Amino acid sequence: GAGVSQTPSNKVTEKGKYVELRCDPISGHTALYWYRQSLGQGPEFLIYFQGTGAADDSGLPNDRFFAVRPEGSVSTLKIQRTERGDSAVYLCASSPQGRETEAFFGQGTRLTVV
Amino acid sequence: KNQVEQSPQSLIILEGKNCTLQCNYTVSPFSNLRWYKQDTGRGPVSLTIMTFSENTKSNGRYTATLDADTKQSSLHITASQLSDSASYICVVSAGVPGGYNKLIFGAGTRLAVHP
Repeated sequence: GAGVSQTPSNKVTEKGKYVELRCDPISGHTALYWYRQSLGQGPEFLIYFQGTGAADDSGLPNDRFFAVRPEGSVSTLKIQRTERGDSAVYLCASSPQGRETEAFFGQGTRLTVV
Repeated sequence: KNQVEQSPQSLIILEGKNCTLQCNYTVSPFSNLRWYKQDTGRGPVSLTIMTFSENTKSNGRYTATLDADTKQSSLHITASQLSDSASYICVVSAGVPGGYNKLIFGAGTRLAVHP
């Protein structure tokens, strides 16, 4: 497709389980971002990839969160030992290189930890 | 600390009326300011992007203003439609090294347009 695609759209998991969230960015976009959005709040930055490397992971809340982008395209956000507080919508965005370029967002993955 | 604050938190207006949403920010170094529209259950969609030198930018019935001196922005919606019901998020891009957009989001203003 032409836009940013995220799968699954919804994920319910039990506390303590491991989850993977996938993001397919727009073809050719070198920059990829992950954000987390809690109910009634704006998205919070988690991590930024430029190509294959994580150029800024300062937003990852703790070491249970990890993200990869091995081939510079698809990215996977991985959460270990999930906690109820991890429940949120996880948004992925991609953009061409450059500060003034527009970031295009996916529809998000709604994660619910029960 | 980089922050973006929006007001009001929520707003209800009648179809056809105009409204203005406010955004104050403390982000340094400033790169650009964006307004996004987010429908329920969807990802944010960009409405406007303004750099330091731009005072106003329009996109159809949406007009954004930027005062870089006072670090304030507004989004004016003209002749509102039911489809304008959404959250409107002010986003400021911090000019971090490496040339990428470190986007700092406000909490958004939830707009409801009633018939």
